Amino acid sequence: DIQMTQSPSSLSASVGDRVTITCRASQSIRSHLNWYQQKPGKAPNLLIFAASSLQSGVPSRFSGSGSGTDFTLTISSLQPEDFATYYCQQSHSTPPTFGGGTKVEIK
Amino acid sequence: QVQLQESGPGLVKPSETLSLTCTVSGSSISSDNYWGWIRQPPGKGLEWIGSIYHSGSTFYNPSLKSRVTVSLDTSKNQFSLKLSSVTAADTAVYFCSREMAGTTIWDWGQGTLVTVSS
Repeated sequence: DIQMTQSPSSLSASVGDRVTITCRASQSIRSHLNWYQQKPGKAPNLLIFAASSLQSGVPSRFSGSGSGTDFTLTISSLQPEDFATYYCQQSHSTPPTFGGGTKVEIK
Repeated sequence: QVQLQESGPGLVKPSETLSLTCTVSGSSISSDNYWGWIRQPPGKGLEWIGSIYHSGSTFYNPSLKSRVTVSLDTSKNQFSLKLSSVTAADTAVYFCSREMAGTTIWDWGQGTLVTVSS
């Protein structure tokens, strides 16, 4: 299985901050990388697919980049509704695997 | 807008079989999609269980493959999960899902908590 490692596991930030979350794959996954947002008690929600494509309806302050083994999710200006846990997931090979998550908390 | 809704027992005894159903609305399960299951133990991360193509082809996580069956019921526009010989380690929120573009999880059900306990 491809191992996905996210960092940091948690962070504290203020409204308006620029936030960056990284995800590293144990082998090349080309651009087969997705990002999800999960709020407490809810299902995850697809934010970014194919490393950098914004899902319909997702605010443009979210962006993704990277290819191969190293990827980044950036929130350009953190909003109150963005406090959540974020997961990366590789869709390069079966089984698809997820990172351990990054919890974004209010500073 | 595709909507998915899980249903099934919230409590299963150890060694028994966990059975869940996902009802799909807004799309036919006979359309060109994969339909799958993902779980999340309380306070932990996400684990892909498996999926089924509209043709009936199945794909399972090797870590669970010996215990998992995913099937379609086209007459009811539903698909199902069976996980046999459960233990406390199988306690989790189970999500049903629609996959596109490989195993990108495009749509999720709201999730249902299944507890394994005697």
